[in-house]
Formats: sequence, C-alpha cells, structure tokens
Amino acid sequence: GDSVTQMEGPVTLSEEAFLTINCTYTATGYPSLFWYVQYPGEGLQLLLKATKADDKGSNKGFEATYRKETTSFHLEKGSVQVSDSAVYFCALSDGDTDKLIFGTGTRLQVFP
Amino acid sequence: DAGVIQSPRHEVTEMGQEVTLRCKPISGHDYLFWYRQTMMRGLELLIYFNNNVPIDDSGMPEDRFSAKMPNASFSTLKIQPSEPRDSAVYFCASSSYEQYFGPGTRLTVT
Repeated sequence: GDSVTQMEGPVTLSEEAFLTINCTYTATGYPSLFWYVQYPGEGLQLLLKATKADDKGSNKGFEATYRKETTSFHLEKGSVQVSDSAVYFCALSDGDTDKLIFGTGTRLQVFP
Repeated sequence: DAGVIQSPRHEVTEMGQEVTLRCKPISGHDYLFWYRQTMMRGLELLIYFNNNVPIDDSGMPEDRFSAKMPNASFSTLKIQPSEPRDSAVYFCASSSYEQYFGPGTRLTVT
C-alpha cells in the first residue's frame, strides 16, 4: 500500500541555519503531497502542498518540490528561526478520497 | 470561518467512565476524520466519514470506541468504558481536498 517515510528526528539547528527534512513516498497512482506542521499544544496545520510532478510548494520561507523520479518531497528552508521549532509531517493523498497517509513526523529544534 | 471546533479541550475522567468528544467541521467540507496522537504510537487515523457516512473504521482500536456523524455539522467520538491506555490527544479534521485540523482534545483517564 501507499506509504511515507521521513527522516528520524530530532533535527537540531542553530538559528539561520539551512534546513532539509527528507521525505520519500511509495504510491501506486499519482498522489498529491503535503507538509503539515504541528506547534506545541496545537493541531496540525497545512504548510504547503504539491499536486503533480515538478510542482514546487512554498509557504513562510519553506519549499518542497515534487520529484516523481526519486519519489521524494523534501522540505527545505534557507534560514530557520527559533519560532520554526515544531514537528513536521509529510503526507500523501491518493486522489480518490481526502484521506491522508502521514509519515511519522520529524521534530525540529532551533536554538538561538 | 472559525475552523474546526472541538470540545472539550481537556477531559480528565476515571477508568470505566464514558467519554464523549465532539467536533464541528468547517462548513461545506464533505470529509471528517478522527485521529489519535500519542508519544508511543504517533498519529493514528481512527475513522473517517464522507457526506456523514462512515467510510473506513479499521483504525478504531476496539468495540469500546464508536463514532457518529448525525449531520454535516457535528460528529462525536465515544469511548465506553474508558481505560488508562486511551489517554491521548484526539484530533478531528475536516476537508474539501485539504485537511484542516482542530485544536484537539487532551484526554486523561486515571
């Protein structure tokens, strides 16, 4: 079945460092891909999305490109801030329903 | 729109008691999802509805759990009887293509 694999956390960075969180997927069809972010004590929030190959989703300085050839959707940010500390979830939807398959989440900790 | 609304935000109950969690989805959304999140098991999909009809309840852990969606603007997740291992944060999400999550209900069963 469809699945999402994320890099293990926590990822620990200093403020203004470059961020990459790896995400790869397995899917039989042509899924849409998403990144969600969960701040402490809150629900998940949609961060960005891409619906087809080579699409780039972007929001709040974060970017991710839908790479069909490598089945990847890595999350990047050029300069992280302490306020970016959160758990990041990669997810895919099969397109037939709105159901999402989530990765296990990657905790990001940014220190001043 | 106020977003997905969940109540209560926190619930503390004793083992054996019935617990009812409530969710009001975003108006116009045709899907509703219930999730459970714990440190040990991460984020788990329990059940989801499409147009008020349950589509997949394979994630419901056991018969003690039940969910209903009597109309497009309301859903409940009930645990009867509750057990300490049910302690978790329960999220409701609704969608019309993109899922929007509520703030969650933190359940503690003592």
